[in-house]
Amino acid sequence: KQEVTQIPAALSVPEGENLVLNCSFTDSAIYNLQWFRQDPGKGLTSLLLIQSSQREQTSGRLNASLDKSSGRSTLYIAASQPGDSATYLCAAGSSNTGKLIFGQGTTLQVKP
Amino acid sequence: DTAVSQTPKYLVTQMGNDKSIKCEQNLGHDTMYWYKQDSKKFLKIMFSYNNKELIINETVPNRFSPKSPDKAHLNLHINSLELGDSAVYFCASNGGPRYQETQYFGPGTRLLVL
Repeated sequence: KQEVTQIPAALSVPEGENLVLNCSFTDSAIYNLQWFRQDPGKGLTSLLLIQSSQREQTSGRLNASLDKSSGRSTLYIAASQPGDSATYLCAAGSSNTGKLIFGQGTTLQVKP
Repeated sequence: DTAVSQTPKYLVTQMGNDKSIKCEQNLGHDTMYWYKQDSKKFLKIMFSYNNKELIINETVPNRFSPKSPDKAHLNLHINSLELGDSAVYFCASNGGPRYQETQYFGPGTRLLVL
């Protein structure tokens, strides 16, 4: 059974810092690994999707990496801004079940 | 130009009532989903439909019944609501039957059962 864990649960940093959010999954049989952003009271917005054959994806100040063998993904945010404050969720698309399994998220606060 | 829309946004009701949540997507996607996000923010899939056909049915109570009149709509009907049903329900869609493509989420329906 796929389990997805995100560490830390919460993170507070000053503006301008580079930071890394961690995601681990127990079953390496995945189609892809996705990172989402959720603002308070809002739905989820897709940030990056890494296919199982890929190692990383980049979009602007965001870079996500995937290491299937170790069951890990990281989301790197460069030069953080207060507007980056949100909850970041990773989700593993399971090859075996066809389901997207979510972690519980990391709530990020970037202080001006 | 909302891609995935849900109605209502907020729903407050008494225990034992029956309620429905509607979802529509204008992205031309074949697959739609219902997720439940509990008070601890844990998001879990409930159902998935591909071209109006049920393809994922998690272990949810029979009181929850999804209905897909066409591939652009996926509604969720809940009978005999219970306190534990209070949560945020998200609809989502993507272009294929598996998680090979990005999923687009609706804004959520916040259900409170009193």
